[in-house]
Amino acid sequence: SQTIHQWPATLVQPVGSPLSLECTVEGTSNPNLYWYRQAAGRGLQLLFYSVGIGQISSEVPQNLSASRPQDRQFILSSKKLLLSDSGFYLCAWSPAVQETQYFGPGTRLLVL
Amino acid sequence: AQTVTQSQPEMSVQEAETVTLSCTYDTSESNYYLFWYKQPPSRQMILVIRQEAYKQQNATENRFSVNFQKAAKSFSLKISDSQLGDTAMYFCAFGKTSYDKVIFGPGTSLSVIP
Repeated sequence: SQTIHQWPATLVQPVGSPLSLECTVEGTSNPNLYWYRQAAGRGLQLLFYSVGIGQISSEVPQNLSASRPQDRQFILSSKKLLLSDSGFYLCAWSPAVQETQYFGPGTRLLVL
Repeated sequence: AQTVTQSQPEMSVQEAETVTLSCTYDTSESNYYLFWYKQPPSRQMILVIRQEAYKQQNATENRFSVNFQKAAKSFSLKISDSQLGDTAMYFCAFGKTSYDKVIFGPGTSLSVIP
């Protein structure tokens, strides 16, 4: 069966520090991969998605970037965090866009 | 551009009662897919129900069913016999084959009252 992992679960970082959040999927190949951000009590904001290795589409211009170095690995990064980067970050995968998205447990990021 | 609207930011329902969450979307496509996702307080997002636009029959999943009105571009979720565990944020979402991403609505916060 397929599983999706995200880590860390919680992260507290100072403003201006770098960020690296990792997401990996097991049990499937060539998944569509997604990074979302969710502010408290709010909806999902799509940040990046990828349909294949090295293929990244950005939805929102900001100081975040994403990479897909391997088929089932999706990394969200920042060189310098801003206070506004605080939030709940969700990674998801799907076999195809018309199929169900399966979400990871999320990472709570607090930038101080 | 595709948009998804959920006009009810918050709703509440008595335990064992029925509640309907509304969702409308805007698209010029004829072939697409609609989803309802649930996010309980644990924040783990899970799929509730999925509907293919070319199917006229409304999808059902145990106590969850949808009322899909394609011409009206409406996709409401009905929860029957509400249970305390149904307390969650509910997100309506739209996707299409030629579009690699899914569009999520802003969500409806549902509280089931004992």
